[in-house]
Amino acid sequence: GAVVSQHPSWVICKSGTSVKIECRSLDFQATTMFWYRQFPKQSLMLMATSNEGSKATYEQGVEKDKFLINHASLTLSTLTVTSAHPEDSSFYICSTYDWREAFFEQYFGPGTRLTVT
Amino acid sequence: SQQGEEDPQALSIQEGENATMNCSYKTSINNLQWYRQNSGRGLVHLILIRSNEREKHSGRLRVTLDTSKKSSSLLITASRAADTASYFCATLNGYKLSFGAGTTVTVRA
Repeated sequence: GAVVSQHPSWVICKSGTSVKIECRSLDFQATTMFWYRQFPKQSLMLMATSNEGSKATYEQGVEKDKFLINHASLTLSTLTVTSAHPEDSSFYICSTYDWREAFFEQYFGPGTRLTVT
Repeated sequence: SQQGEEDPQALSIQEGENATMNCSYKTSINNLQWYRQNSGRGLVHLILIRSNEREKHSGRLRVTLDTSKKSSSLLITASRAADTASYFCATLNGYKLSFGAGTTVTVRA
């Protein structure tokens, strides 16, 4: 299966600053990547779908100006949390699917723990 | 958005015992998938069952699907300490996954 990496694995930032999280597909070209947010002891909530070369599609209730997504190449998507606040502290996970497979099994990165102080 | 409920929310068993968890979903599906998440990590795909299948096995995992009841179950047999994790069912809507609330399984040595 596909291998997905994320960087950094954890980050602490001050309120009001911006943080960029990278998601890379290591062994195939990912035209579509997904960004999820997960609060402690909760499930994953899809934030947005990132498509290479076009604008991301955001889920209802997700502020596109706050969570900037860029998918400039077939192996890299970035999520920038702008003007971060403590309530943005969460576990952010990206995923992609291998379009060569029939059933859209998704491959997840290891996640990034963001703490905003 | 979350697709449905998982039951139980948490499960604690002794090593060697079986663990069963259930998932209900709301919409029609093409397939249902189960994922495992170790604490503080990403998700790992476990098994996929198609809508025209009723049961599927993979190693110590057994998944059932009842589309008339919109429910699925995951059975882990002969559990090991390494099975301690959260387990999520997920349904596919187009190419987007919707996850259940998850079941946290603790396997005691």
